[in-house]
Amino acid sequence: AQSVAQPEDQVNVAEGNPLTVKCTYSVSGNPYLFWYVQYPNRGLQFLLKYITGDNLVKGSYGFEAEFNKSQTSFHLKKPSALVSDSALYFCAVRAYGGSQGNLIFGKGTKLSVKP
Amino acid sequence: EAGVAQSPRYKIIEKRQSVAFWCNPISGHATLYWYQQILGQGPKLLIQFQNNGVVDDSQLPKDRFSAERLKGVDSTLKIQPAKLEDSAVYLCASSLDHLSYEQYFGPGTRLTVT
Repeated sequence: AQSVAQPEDQVNVAEGNPLTVKCTYSVSGNPYLFWYVQYPNRGLQFLLKYITGDNLVKGSYGFEAEFNKSQTSFHLKKPSALVSDSALYFCAVRAYGGSQGNLIFGKGTKLSVKP
Repeated sequence: EAGVAQSPRYKIIEKRQSVAFWCNPISGHATLYWYQQILGQGPKLLIQFQNNGVVDDSQLPKDRFSAERLKGVDSTLKIQPAKLEDSAVYLCASSLDHLSYEQYFGPGTRLTVT
C-alpha cells in the first residue's frame, strides 16, 4: 500500500536561515510526489511536484524539493526562510490502481519561522 | 480564473442531524474529489468523480455519507445522520482530468458535530 510519512510534527526556524521539511514515501512503481501548503482557514495550495527528470524540483515562493530514490525521500527545502512561510506543509504521493489521480497525504508538518 | 468554490464555510450541528456541503469546481475540470481532513491529520479521499461518474468511493462510509455530481459540474456531499467523529474539514478539489497531476483545492467546510 502507498503511504507517506512526515516524521516531524513541527519545525522551528529563524528567519533568514535555511529550512528543511522531511518526507519519506512508500509506493509500488514510480512515485509521483507533491508538496502542498495550507494557511489557516484556507485550502491547500500546490507548491511543487516531482514526476520525472531532474531530482531537484523548483516550485512556488522559492521552495524546492529533492527526490532521492535510494532513500525514498522527497524533502522540501528553502535557502532562506521568511516569517510568511509559517504554515502547515503536506507531502503527498499519487496512488495507483482503481483510484487513479487521488492523492495520499502525510499528516502534515507545522513550520514556524520566527523573526 | 475562478478557483474551487465551497459552501458553507462553517457548520455546527448536533449528532444525528443531517448536513450537506456544496462544491463548484474550476470550469472545465472533469475530475472532482471530496477529502475529509480531521484535525492533526492529512486529507483523506472520500470520493472521486470523473464527470458525473464515480471513480472511487472505497473510503466513503456509505451508511451515512452520500455524494452526487448529477450534471458533471457541481457536487453535493451529504451526511445523514452525523456522528461526533465526523467533525472535520471537508475539502473539495478538482483537476482537469483523472490523469492531471495538479489538484486545485477549495477553502473547505469546517463541520463541528456536538
